[in-house]
Amino acid sequence: NAGVTQTPKFRVLKTGQSMTLLCAQDMNHEYMYWYRQDPGMGLRLIHYSVGEGTTAKGEVPDGYNVSRLKKQNFLLGLESAAPSQTSVYFCASSYSLRGWPGELFFGEGSRLTVL
Amino acid sequence: AQSVTQLGSHVSVSEGALVLLRCNYSSSVPPYLFWYVQYPNQGLQLLLKYTTGATLVKGINGFEAEFKKSETSFHLTKPSAHMSDAAEYFCAVSEVTGGGNKLTFGTGTQLKVEL
Repeated sequence: NAGVTQTPKFRVLKTGQSMTLLCAQDMNHEYMYWYRQDPGMGLRLIHYSVGEGTTAKGEVPDGYNVSRLKKQNFLLGLESAAPSQTSVYFCASSYSLRGWPGELFFGEGSRLTVL
Repeated sequence: AQSVTQLGSHVSVSEGALVLLRCNYSSSVPPYLFWYVQYPNQGLQLLLKYTTGATLVKGINGFEAEFKKSETSFHLTKPSAHMSDAAEYFCAVSEVTGGGNKLTFGTGTQLKVEL
């Protein structure tokens, strides 16, 4: 009964380092999303995917890349981390139902600090 | 473009008192509206959602919200607060397209429940 699992849960990076956050869902959902949460700003959409092999930009995509090679996994990459990317990152997934908003299921978050 | 405004970043109520969290939205199309709750160090979970039909929506844990198109509002209420309701609450609006259920979140309201 895992739902959406994010790894790692905590990470500290130095400016310029790279890293990848992994999101895995076991609900066979078509859609997956990466959000970042910052104090006083709510959650903002970074990138999303509507299916295996497809990705698209969200509201704040700069400095991030994503890949969806398998339906159950959605990877978020930082090629050269910056202090402005210090945040809590949430992955979410939802089912696909034409014209009907499927509920988003969220992971527990990954807290990233960039020094 | 869609947007959400949550009035009051912090709300404090006494246990047993009415909870009222305010949310106003802006959307160019008929909106789908959501309330999510986030407990400390956890991901977001769905409280309730409005899609079509009845404008008074009931959710989990005794919460409900009323969609008022004329006021572009979707305020969250609970008749009697419990200590376990202390959490952060997010209102969100959705634009359902071929690109999945992309939610735009408000900045959140931290609810404190006092004895």
